[in-house]
Amino acid sequence: AQSVTQLGSHVSVSEGALVLLRCNYSSSVPPYLFWYVQYPNQGLQLLLKYTTGATLVKGINGFEAEFKKSETSFHLTKPSAHMSDAAEYFCAVSFTGGGNKLTFGTGTQLKVEL
Amino acid sequence: GAVVSQHPSWVICKSGTSVKIECRSLDFQATTMFWYRQFPKQSLMLMATSNEGSKATYEQGVEKDKFLINHASLTLSTLTVTSAHPEDSSFYICSARVPYGTVGYTFGSGTRLTVV
Repeated sequence: AQSVTQLGSHVSVSEGALVLLRCNYSSSVPPYLFWYVQYPNQGLQLLLKYTTGATLVKGINGFEAEFKKSETSFHLTKPSAHMSDAAEYFCAVSFTGGGNKLTFGTGTQLKVEL
Repeated sequence: GAVVSQHPSWVICKSGTSVKIECRSLDFQATTMFWYRQFPKQSLMLMATSNEGSKATYEQGVEKDKFLINHASLTLSTLTVTSAHPEDSSFYICSARVPYGTVGYTFGSGTRLTVV
């Protein structure tokens, strides 16, 4: 079955530290992959996406993610966390043959501490 | 570009009444829109997919008679929660597939529904 998994519902980092949010998918065909950020009571903002081409994708606010087919992963990273990065992060996947629907991971709440 | 406007941002209604949520694509034509429901501190769950000019496709377990979806034009989709009950209180978000460029989706800002 096709699915997307985010490891760690809560991640806490110090300001200035590396941010690593994990996302794995299960599919025989590489899907389209997305990372979104959500602030309280707001919609979703696209951070970055992978569709085809270069596997290292750079997004907004200093975030980047690397698509690793062999590991079926699309982990999100940022070299140096900022207080404003505290939010909920969702990995989402559009599977081939899925009718253009997005399937969301369970989300990771990022906390940034001084 | 590719902006989706969702209204209202929040609404409080009494049990038994109906509430309509609108989602408009401002600068593109959205042939397909998606409606999600999000409970506090949880992920987004797809409720239904609406296609302009045809009936919406509901996900398993979603009551189509309770959550009426209409996609009458290429820029407007509406979700009506009928005979609302407190358990319908949730955050509802619409989304549309961006019809140009690489694959992408844009989201409305969400509607916080509270049924009292």
